Amino acid sequence: DGGITQSPKYLFRKEGQNVTLSCEQNLNHDAMYWYRQDPGQGLRLIYYSQIVNDFQKGDIAEGYSVSREKKESFPLTVTSAQKNPTAFYLCASRDGPLYEQYFGPGTRLTVT
Amino acid sequence: QQPVQSPQAVILREGEDAVINCSSSKALYSVHWYRQKHGEAPVFLMILLKGGEQKGHEKISASFNEKKQQSSLYLTASQLSYSGTYFCGTENNAGNMLTFGGGTRLMVKP
Repeated sequence: DGGITQSPKYLFRKEGQNVTLSCEQNLNHDAMYWYRQDPGQGLRLIYYSQIVNDFQKGDIAEGYSVSREKKESFPLTVTSAQKNPTAFYLCASRDGPLYEQYFGPGTRLTVT
Repeated sequence: QQPVQSPQAVILREGEDAVINCSSSKALYSVHWYRQKHGEAPVFLMILLKGGEQKGHEKISASFNEKKQQSSLYLTASQLSYSGTYFCGTENNAGNMLTFGGGTRLMVKP
């Protein structure tokens, strides 16, 4: 079955630590995305990548970093520079412009 | 710029209808609609492209007025399973990023 996997589902970290969230897709999609969702809020774009070895900042990229070394994988690192990292993080992918976007199940990150 | 959704929340009785609106300050190329249940990932409902096309399946349909830069989602004869938060996502050119609205929380009661 094709889809997007994110791991882990829940993640706990101490303040000041970097943490990497995993996102893997086997849909053969070129474009991948990372969104942040705070309670009761919409989806805000952190980073996106249209092809391997290329990515662009979204609306709230500060304090985050990404890499796209393989088509299937788009990991997100939440650095200690991110002031309020506790949130629900969603990874998504799609075939290209005007196509539907598929979302992974999400990772809920709690930083204390 | 983020599209604006209205209303922010709506409560329905089973069988009632609802309309959710999505407005953008920029010219739109496409509008996507998603539904998210609490704690889960958003699920795709439909996409509307430039041309004012109306789409739908079962009792959920949508329209897109590109001149007004608006889209509306129509839920008819609502069911309990329709409960969730509805998001519109907009593309304002043939690029490949969606900008999502703040969401509309829909609750359907028996």
